[in-house]
Amino acid sequence: EAQVTQNPRYLITVTGKKLTVTCSQNMNHEYMSWYRQDPGLGLRQIYYSMNVEVTDKGDVPEGYKVSRKEKRNFPLILESPSPNQTSLYFCASGEAPGAFFGQGTRLTVV
Amino acid sequence: GENVEQHPSTLSVQEGDSAVIKCTYSDSASNYFPWYKQELGKRPQLIIDIRSNVGEKKDQRIAVTLNKTAKHFSLHITETQPEDSAVYFCAASRGGGADGLTFGKGTHLIIQP
Repeated sequence: EAQVTQNPRYLITVTGKKLTVTCSQNMNHEYMSWYRQDPGLGLRQIYYSMNVEVTDKGDVPEGYKVSRKEKRNFPLILESPSPNQTSLYFCASGEAPGAFFGQGTRLTVV
Repeated sequence: GENVEQHPSTLSVQEGDSAVIKCTYSDSASNYFPWYKQELGKRPQLIIDIRSNVGEKKDQRIAVTLNKTAKHFSLHITETQPEDSAVYFCAASRGGGADGLTFGKGTHLIIQP
């Protein structure tokens, strides 16, 4: 079954404690991306990657890192999370951007 | 960078009527325009997209139109049904997505029975 898998689905963490949200796709897509969704602000792109070892900043990259060492995985790293990074995060992949979304990760930073 | 404005923020229509959601974009280099549907508590789902070399695209009850000169594009849903109730997002990207994706803030579509 074609899918984009994010883990974890829910995470509560404390300010400053490094965390990684994983994203994996099994469709051999070149394009992968990360978004955050906040009430009243809609969806905003954090980072995207057109291929292995190629990553670019989206509209809200501050406080986030990504890596694309292999085609199927695109982890999102928060080196020092802060409360303003509390949000719902989505990973997506596709031949076009945002074609298939993962199920989402709800992150709370206290 | 790109800026995408979406209107209206809420749209209520009677079941069976048509619904139209409009978006404008600022970057004339943008050439890829997807639309997403997000039901409550679920992930966004790509429902239709259009590229700048096409003026209109249809898929059953859904159609998207693009006016490059005016820099606006619209989603049309005909014969609306209760399952069309959701939040709809438009987005725009340059290079077919090679330069990232910028979203509108969404339209909450309510289908009244």
